[in-house]
Amino acid sequence: QKEVEQNSGPLSVPEGAIASLNCTYSDRGSQSFFWYRQYSGKSPELIMFIYSNGDKEDGRFTAQLNKASQYVSLLIRDSQPSDSATYLCAVPFGGYQKVTFGTGTKLQVIP
Amino acid sequence: DAGITQSPRHKVTETGTPVTLRCHQTENHRYMYWYRQDPGHGLRLIHYSYGVKDTDKGEVSDGYSVSRSKTEDFLLTLESATSSQTSVYFCASTGTGVANVLTFGAGSRLTVL
Repeated sequence: QKEVEQNSGPLSVPEGAIASLNCTYSDRGSQSFFWYRQYSGKSPELIMFIYSNGDKEDGRFTAQLNKASQYVSLLIRDSQPSDSATYLCAVPFGGYQKVTFGTGTKLQVIP
Repeated sequence: DAGITQSPRHKVTETGTPVTLRCHQTENHRYMYWYRQDPGHGLRLIHYSYGVKDTDKGEVSDGYSVSRSKTEDFLLTLESATSSQTSVYFCASTGTGVANVLTFGAGSRLTVL
């Protein structure tokens, strides 16, 4: 079992719709969770991080964390073509911050 | 100046030759990482460092070694490059605390012929 798992997609949504991206992780002791966005040919950039159960909202983005189910998700409201990118879930493991990524979900927003 | 720089940005080499990629950060971050990125695999951790001279293996460490003699520098060495090591390599760093946001370098594209 991979430590961090994501559906690779592509996930296609029409412009203006809600995109839902999901991530599961293996270590119940994990405390913080990160979503990065990566455009083709570029470095990943942080979208959001969350470390408490529940929802965290930032503009059009909402991160949801359920530690009991070992599940974290990212919702993108009012999706725009500029949101088309690969979204990477990242989880630090252990006391020495071994940061492990999922395979990423490619999102395509159709105009 | 960029907080983290990688060199070289592009390199073409032949099978069997040694290759060293350099990562330099000016953030005084404790943790540094080397990842490789290939289609369909996301970012896979090669090695990481949690302090000067303190390193550990990631999920794809075979064929790679690292060294960290100073806080700011983290070197990745391919002792004898193989075609399977053709990839884009990203270096990243972060400090301490709960919200350990990674700062990424621009990436190094390595082609092994």
